[in-house]
Order: sequence, then structure tokens, then C-alpha cells
Amino acid sequence: AQTVTQSQPEMSVQEAETVTLSCTYDTSENNYYLFWYKQPPSRQMILVIRQEAYKQQNATENRFSVNFQKAAKSFSLKISDSQLGDTAMYFCAFMKWGKSSGDKLTFGTGTRLAVRP
Amino acid sequence: EPEVTQTPSHQVTQMGQEVILRCVPISNHLYFYWYRQILGQKVEFLVSFYNNEISEKSEIFDDQFSVERPDGSNFTLKIRSTKLEDSAMYFCASSEWTGRLPEAFFGQGTRLTVV
Repeated sequence: AQTVTQSQPEMSVQEAETVTLSCTYDTSENNYYLFWYKQPPSRQMILVIRQEAYKQQNATENRFSVNFQKAAKSFSLKISDSQLGDTAMYFCAFMKWGKSSGDKLTFGTGTRLAVRP
Repeated sequence: EPEVTQTPSHQVTQMGQEVILRCVPISNHLYFYWYRQILGQKVEFLVSFYNNEISEKSEIFDDQFSVERPDGSNFTLKIRSTKLEDSAMYFCASSEWTGRLPEAFFGQGTRLTVV
């Protein structure tokens, strides 16, 4: 079974600054995907960024980037130039590589990020 | 842009009553899921559904729960006899497999309150 750990229940950052959210996971799988989902006050789950475990290159999506350390089983999210709209709960999630995308997501407990004006 | 839609957005029910939560997945998706989030806690997997049958279910998904795809568009979660601890946000999600990166698209959720 997979586990995902987010050790920071809450974080705060000044607008325009950079913040890094931590995530570690435990798995015996060699091939898998990792995700960061954002959940704003509206409660909808929105995909922020994803990483394939077999790729060494870290994924980036505009102001969002990850630091993926496979050996350390670490997958942190960096948000650059933080904006007020980034205020949300952020969940790290794991999906094992299957013959289809029908495998479930395993979520961490989340980090609540507040961006201060 | 295609999206997953869930109805109702909020449902209040009395303990012991049956509830049906409805979802319309994205039309060309083949895999469907229900997740649950108790207030302030993490999102938990309940069940996955493919080719008109359950492909995986969690320990939470006991005999009180059932899922159905009654027609070509809807995907429902039924809770037969609700308990207070069933109060949570329920998310439906869908995905497709095209050989590209997998992505689960989530609906906006149904907040279930059992009183």
C-alpha cells in the first residue's frame, strides 16, 4: 500500500514571494505518477502539476514547479511569485502506473496555504 | 471545456435515510471514481468503476454503499442507510486512458449532511 505524507499543515507566504510545500511518499512501486491538487474555498479539486516517476526532469507549469527526488521519495511543490488566488489547500497525491489510468489516487493530508497581501 | 458535474451541491438527510448522489462524467471518459472528504481531513478513495463494474473499492465502501451507471451518462453513488459519520464532501471523478499522462477530473463535490 502507498502512503503520502504532508508534514506542513499550514503555510503562509507574502504575495509575490516564493513558497515550497513538502511531500514525501512511500511505495514499493517503481513506476508511478505524482500530482499536486489545489482545493480553493470552493472545494473543487484542481490539478496543478503532475510528474511521471520515470522522468528525471522536474515538471513545471508556469509559476509552479516540483522538486522530484525519487531515491528520497520526495515531491515538493514550489510556487513562485505567489498570488492571492493561490490561497487554497494543496494536496499531494500518488497513482501507481497501471495498464490503464483506472488506478486510484492516494492523497496526503494537505497543506493549507495562505497568501498575505 | 468538458467538466464533471455533480448534483446536488448540498444534501441534508436524516439518519437512516437513503441518498443518491449523482454525477455526469466527461463524455468520452471510461473510468469513474468516488472519493470522500470528511471536513478538515484528507480526500479518501471510495470506489473505482470501469466497464460497468467495480474495479476497486476501499474498506470504507461497505455494503451500505453501491454505485451504478444507469444510462450512458450518469454515474451514481447510493448510501442505503445513512449514518452521522457519512457526513462529508463526496467527489466524483473521471479519467480516460489515451496513452498520455493520466489525469482525474473532479466534479465540484456534493456536501452531504446527515442529521
